[in-house]
Amino acid sequence: DAKTTQPNSMESNEEEPVHLPCNHSTISGTDYIHWYRQLPSQGPEYVIHGLTSNVNNRMASLAIAEDRKSSTLILHRATLRDAAVYYCILRDDYGGATNKLIFGTGTLLAVQP
Amino acid sequence: DGGITQSPKYLFRKEGQNVTLSCEQNLNHDAMYWYRQDPGQGLRLIYYSQIVNDFQKGDIAEGYSVSREKKESFPLTVTSAQKNPTAFYLCASSLSRWVRSSGNTIYFGEGSWLTVV
Repeated sequence: DAKTTQPNSMESNEEEPVHLPCNHSTISGTDYIHWYRQLPSQGPEYVIHGLTSNVNNRMASLAIAEDRKSSTLILHRATLRDAAVYYCILRDDYGGATNKLIFGTGTLLAVQP
Repeated sequence: DGGITQSPKYLFRKEGQNVTLSCEQNLNHDAMYWYRQDPGQGLRLIYYSQIVNDFQKGDIAEGYSVSREKKESFPLTVTSAQKNPTAFYLCASSLSRWVRSSGNTIYFGEGSWLTVV
């Protein structure tokens, strides 16, 4: 499975945008980029995913580099409830794959009031 | 509401005992997973099941066992062979291995804390 690299931690101020980077230089053509986040003592929750084009949903935006070797999760206005560990994960799109998720250590986002 | 229910939330185990963590889902998902998380670490895959009566070892299966007799249930037994079982355990499910991963979001339960005393 292709690996991802994320900073261990980041800080943001409330109401400001946050850009969480992820490097995945060994990504394959069929790998989707998924982001999950985990609040303290809870299970991870899905945030967003994409393949090549930038994606937007109600939670966040995902900006994918043209060469797909990196991506950035964008929280447009951070709130205190966004303080969590954010995981960037690659998943093979083949239906016959196990679809298991391989988690790294993620980025711990701290949001200051 | 649809979702994944794990129980118990907190469990204490004595040395040499087996314990079983329950995981039930009402999402009609085919695939189910068990992950282990140690403090400050990411999630590591213990076992996964793509369909009833079938399951596969993940990266750290030693000392654990599972069963998948019903679609909605995937219990995990932590055996006495697991030397360091204290951790946060997460159960998850997804629609099907045959669905393209672009639409195959994985849903997680709230987790179970296991402590050896």
